[in-house]
Amino acid sequence: GEDVEQSLFLSVREGDSSVINCTYTDSSSTYLYWYKQEPGAGLQLLTYIFSNMDMKQDQRLTVLLNKKDKHLSLRIADTQTGDSAIYFCAESMDTDKLIFGTGTRLQVFP
Amino acid sequence: GAVVSQHPSRVICKSGTSVKIECRSLDFQATTMFWYRQFPKKSLMLMATSNEGSKATYEQGVEKDKFLINHASLTLSTLTVTSAHPEDSSFYICSARSPGLAGLTDTQYFGPGTRLTVL
Repeated sequence: GEDVEQSLFLSVREGDSSVINCTYTDSSSTYLYWYKQEPGAGLQLLTYIFSNMDMKQDQRLTVLLNKKDKHLSLRIADTQTGDSAIYFCAESMDTDKLIFGTGTRLQVFP
Repeated sequence: GAVVSQHPSRVICKSGTSVKIECRSLDFQATTMFWYRQFPKKSLMLMATSNEGSKATYEQGVEKDKFLINHASLTLSTLTVTSAHPEDSSFYICSARSPGLAGLTDTQYFGPGTRLTVL
């Protein structure tokens, strides 16, 4: 079955890098996503990666994909207090059904 | 671009009443919209996929008579929670699929969510 797991909590100091990890079980996943959810709000798409890629960089965000180990990570460089939120990874075989991870709450302290 | 709105943002109702939640794509046409439910400190669970002009496709375990979905136009989908009970209290989030730009995949854009509290 499909299962996406994340660690629940991450705390980092402002200015440091944050690395949020995600593991998934469906090897047929075509797309993998990272979403950000701020308190009481919907989800904001941060970035996505095709399964045939192993890295994607977008400004402060770097996504790494290890397809063999079914492991996805999101690195946020120079983490700011405004980055504090819950981060969800998600996988899909097509663009329809997204399977979300459990979410990682990132707390950034000064 | 690709903005999705939901209305209301928050609703409190009495047990037994019905509540309608609207999801609108503001600057694009969405042939497909999705409804998710998020429990406190939990992930999002897909409830149903809504296609314009046809019946919604419900995920296993979701009661279609309880959660009525209507996708009347390319910019509007509604979710009606019928005869709501306290266990229906949750955060409901919709998303709309936007056609991708050339070379990019279609993407789901999410609304801000509706918090439903049933007393």
